[in-house]
Amino acid sequence: QVQLVQSGAEVKKPGASVKVSCKASGYTFTSYYMHWVRQAPGQGLEWMGIINPSGGSTSYAQKFQGRVTMTRDTSTSTVYMELSSLRSEDTAVYYCAREVFGVVHWFDPWGQGTLVTVSS
Amino acid sequence: DIQMTQSPSSLSASVGDRVTITCRASQSISSYLNWYQQKPGKAPKLLIYAASSLQSGVPSRFSGSGSGTDFTLTISSLQPEDFATYYCQQSYSTPIFTFGPGTKVDIK
Repeated sequence: QVQLVQSGAEVKKPGASVKVSCKASGYTFTSYYMHWVRQAPGQGLEWMGIINPSGGSTSYAQKFQGRVTMTRDTSTSTVYMELSSLRSEDTAVYYCAREVFGVVHWFDPWGQGTLVTVSS
Repeated sequence: DIQMTQSPSSLSASVGDRVTITCRASQSISSYLNWYQQKPGKAPKLLIYAASSLQSGVPSRFSGSGSGTDFTLTISSLQPEDFATYYCQQSYSTPIFTFGPGTKVDIK
């Protein structure tokens, strides 16, 4: 079955960087775009960006431009999201989600989420 | 950028109630509208795509309607497992997929 498995929780200090992984299985990795979405505690869902696993092209939300980098490793069917210059407001659960396109586009499935805590 | 709003932000309902959640886009998005359900500590789960198409495996008590700027998610008879937060998402302005702020459904 299609599955996205993310790396474990992280605790980082302000100013540091974090790199979260998302390993895909059960489908052709390079045939579907992958998105990253985050959710701060008690808050809603915030779209961060997209990566095309085939060619590696990316597009980021303006809010994260210059701080986020999304990459992929086709040999392991894994995408990565690295966020730098962390601040306390970056404390959140980070999700990867596969984009499916039919009549419209939607996200299915999602990874289980990775909690990133930024604290001194 | 397309902005999404939802109403109400929260509601209390009883098992068996009919529940309706509204989502509005800041500009026309045709039928490029999806609905997700999220339970505490879990990832969101797709319920409805293209405004009214039920995802495989989702109970038929869930339905969606609308096009253009105004959309609704209806739960015809609320079940205990439906208490959750519901989000709408526009996929018109790819690759940017904006979410609504969410509607929390809890027990009355």
